[in-house]
Formats: sequence, C-alpha cells, structure tokens
Amino acid sequence: NAGVTQTPKFRILKIGQSMTLQCTQDMNHNYMYWYRQDPGMGLKLIYYSVGAGITDKGEVPNGYNVSRSTTEDFPLRLELAAPSQTSVYFCASSYSQGLNPYFGAGTRLSVL
Amino acid sequence: GESVGLHLPTLSVQEGDNSIINCAYSNSASDYFIWYKQESGKGPQFIIDIRSNMDKRQGQRVTVLLNKTVKHLSLQIAATQPGDSAVYFCAAFEADTGRRALTFGSGTRLQVQP
Repeated sequence: NAGVTQTPKFRILKIGQSMTLQCTQDMNHNYMYWYRQDPGMGLKLIYYSVGAGITDKGEVPNGYNVSRSTTEDFPLRLELAAPSQTSVYFCASSYSQGLNPYFGAGTRLSVL
Repeated sequence: GESVGLHLPTLSVQEGDNSIINCAYSNSASDYFIWYKQESGKGPQFIIDIRSNMDKRQGQRVTVLLNKTVKHLSLQIAATQPGDSAVYFCAAFEADTGRRALTFGSGTRLQVQP
C-alpha cells in the first residue's frame, strides 16, 4: 500500500518557469490537500479538494492552481515560479473531514 | 481566522524524562485536534488526536489533554527517547469557517539529550 505519493522529490526552477507537482493516493480518499512549509514554520494550506471535480482555496492560493479530475490524483500547478514559492510542498489525503490526513514525503522546491 | 500557536519553539529534555509540549488555539469552534511528529526531511506523521467532546486521550507513551475553557492543548510524552527528537505540530479543524482542512501551528522542536 503506497499511501500518498509525491513526485518529484526535489526540483530547482528558474524564475518564471512553470511546473506541476504530482500527488496520487491509493486509499480511495475523498479529501486531498496541498500544504507548503517554509523553513522553521508550520504548514499553510494552499488548496484542498473534497472530491473529484471539486476544489477550493486555502490560506495561500495565489500563484497556484489545482485540478481534481480523478479521486486518486491532485496535481498542483505553478505557472510563473517566483522565489517566494521556494518551500517544501506536502500533499495529504483523508477519507473524510473528520479523520486525520495522511501526508506524503514532500517535494522540496527551490526557485532561483 | 484560526490561530494555532505553540508556547515554546524548542524544548530540551533528558532521555527518560517526561516531555510536555503545549499549544494554544484561538477559535472556540475548533472541534478536532491532532498532534503530528515531523522528522527531518519527512512529512508529518500522525501521533494522536482528540475531539472537543473529550478532555484527555491516551496512546502508547503519549497523552493529549484538551482544556476548552482556556483553549489549550498539550502533548505529554512519557519516558522520552532519542527517537522522539523531532518537530511537533498541533493542528485543528475549525467547524465554523467552511474550510474543511487542518490549520497548523508553527511547531516545537523537541531535543532529547542522552
């Protein structure tokens, strides 16, 4: 059972480049989340989804986009990378709102 | 909005001692709380959770206490071991914002001295 899988694990981008962070889960969870974690800080919610076809903004959505075409996948898109988006990105999923989310191992992104 | 914060950024304890990590929250509508452990280079790992209709919950070597009157949460780790060294986060679900996701505190680093 793979759980929550994130790819890539590391990535360096130049300012203005775009990329997609992949997240997939094999637990048939309805809820999926994207968080970012800056050094020495807690996790901040970027976007979340309560099911296929439904997404909603979190605390810090600017500069990001998401889609949820299937239950398993929840990709995060950066269109014009900026240095402020240098962070570690975590994807998580849960079966319902009231249950603890399982987290992936993270994607470490540097924008230079 | 929710503010979930921690009293101390770093806690240093001797191996074998008990550790207490504290967390304050501001939204009285928060109804579900989770403690996570995060080791260097890894994602948060679930430790224990508690719902707002409970005051205390125990797991293996860990206990979470919830005081809704003062909006305070604590994590107690018994007989702290070197493997407990990590950053610990509290997180809360807010029932009144419509946002069905956790809000995290900034974390406390636990250092276990041999």
